[in-house]
Amino acid sequence: DGGITQSPKYLFRKEGQNVTLSCEQNLNHDAMYWYRQDPGQGLRLIYYSQIVNDFQKGDIAEGYSVSREKKESFPLTVTSAQKNPTAFYLCATLSGVQGNSGANVLTFGAGSRLTVL
Amino acid sequence: GNSVTQMEGPVTLSEEAFLTINCTYTATGYPSLFWYVQYPGEGLQLLLKATKADDKGSNKGFEATYRKETTSFHLEKGSVQVSDSAVYFCALRRINFGNEKLTFGTGTRLTIIP
Repeated sequence: DGGITQSPKYLFRKEGQNVTLSCEQNLNHDAMYWYRQDPGQGLRLIYYSQIVNDFQKGDIAEGYSVSREKKESFPLTVTSAQKNPTAFYLCATLSGVQGNSGANVLTFGAGSRLTVL
Repeated sequence: GNSVTQMEGPVTLSEEAFLTINCTYTATGYPSLFWYVQYPGEGLQLLLKATKADDKGSNKGFEATYRKETTSFHLEKGSVQVSDSAVYFCALRRINFGNEKLTFGTGTRLTIIP
């Protein structure tokens, strides 16, 4: 079955450590996104990538980094520079960026919950 | 810039009650509009969508109509069930070639009591 796999589902980190969240998709979608979810704040865009070897900052990119070396994978690194990293992180994909984009929708993974101890 | 405003929650209703969750938006051009649902501990799932003015999206008994004159996309359901308890997000997406991203509302938590 096609889908998006995020791992780990739960992650605990000590202050000052970098951690990497994995996002893998087999939907053959071009674009991939990372969102952060905090209670009462909805979803905020961290980074997105519309094609391999290219990515752009979203609204809250500071303290995060990404790479897009292959179409299927878009890992997110939460660095020690991120002052408040405890949150639920969601990866999503979008198909058909280069074509008729009006009807395309985001497909989400199940999320990764990061807790800083 | 683009923005989405949802009614604040939490919303608590009895089973079989009528549901409305308000959503209004601000955007230039002609955005597509979406409702997503999030069940506890899970990612978001698309509930319904509308891509142009006066379109009605519907799924699982939920409906929303794209009203350009009032810039609204209110979610409705005639008779809610306990299984509808979740967080609901309204979102918009600009049809803008080369820059595809969604803007989400803050979410509305819905609890249905038997």
